[in-house]
Amino acid sequence: AQSVAQPEDQVNVAEGNPLTVKCTYSVSGNPYLFWYVQYPNRGLQFLLKYITGDNLVKGSYGFEAEFNKSQTSFHLKKPSALVSDSALYFCAVNTGRRALTFGSGTRLQVQP
Amino acid sequence: GAGVSQSPSNKVTEKGKDVELRCDPISGHTALYWYRQSLGQGLEFLIYFQGNSAPDKSGLPSDRFSAERTGGSVSTLTIQRTQQEDSAVYLCASSAASGGVTDTQYFGPGTRLTVL
Repeated sequence: AQSVAQPEDQVNVAEGNPLTVKCTYSVSGNPYLFWYVQYPNRGLQFLLKYITGDNLVKGSYGFEAEFNKSQTSFHLKKPSALVSDSALYFCAVNTGRRALTFGSGTRLQVQP
Repeated sequence: GAGVSQSPSNKVTEKGKDVELRCDPISGHTALYWYRQSLGQGLEFLIYFQGNSAPDKSGLPSDRFSAERTGGSVSTLTIQRTQQEDSAVYLCASSAASGGVTDTQYFGPGTRLTVL
């Protein structure tokens, strides 16, 4: 079985500070990992994905994520947070069933 | 280009009624997915269509739920005899190419279903 855990329900950060949203995964095969963002009353927007290769993946809106196989983690990061980054963030994994398995989501609140 | 569209955006129905939710995938995308987002269950996979292959229905929660995809494009999710626990946001996604495990899924804005 595959699963994804997002240990923090909410992350608070001041504007201009670096942010990290945590994600750990448990899969039996190769992990294909995704990050999505959801703004209020909107669908999910794709940010980035890890398939293979470089452990640091760069995505949309200045976000990046670091794949760490030994720690089975795929944390989302941004060097300098914006108030407009405030949203709900989902980590997801796909290992062959084709459907994504999502984490429970982390609400990011960026304070001005 | 146009993204995934869903209609209606909101649907309020009475318990026991049937509802139909529609999804228009991105043009040319061969794979289509339905997910459900609810407070108690998070984001759950419901059903997956790939081209003309038989759909993967393994996520459908009961036989009251069904879906079809006509002409390899538009999909309709039908919920019969709706129950209050069906209240959720129903999200549709599509992906290009073979719908493989590395393909990016692009989501529509969702349909918010409220069962009274």
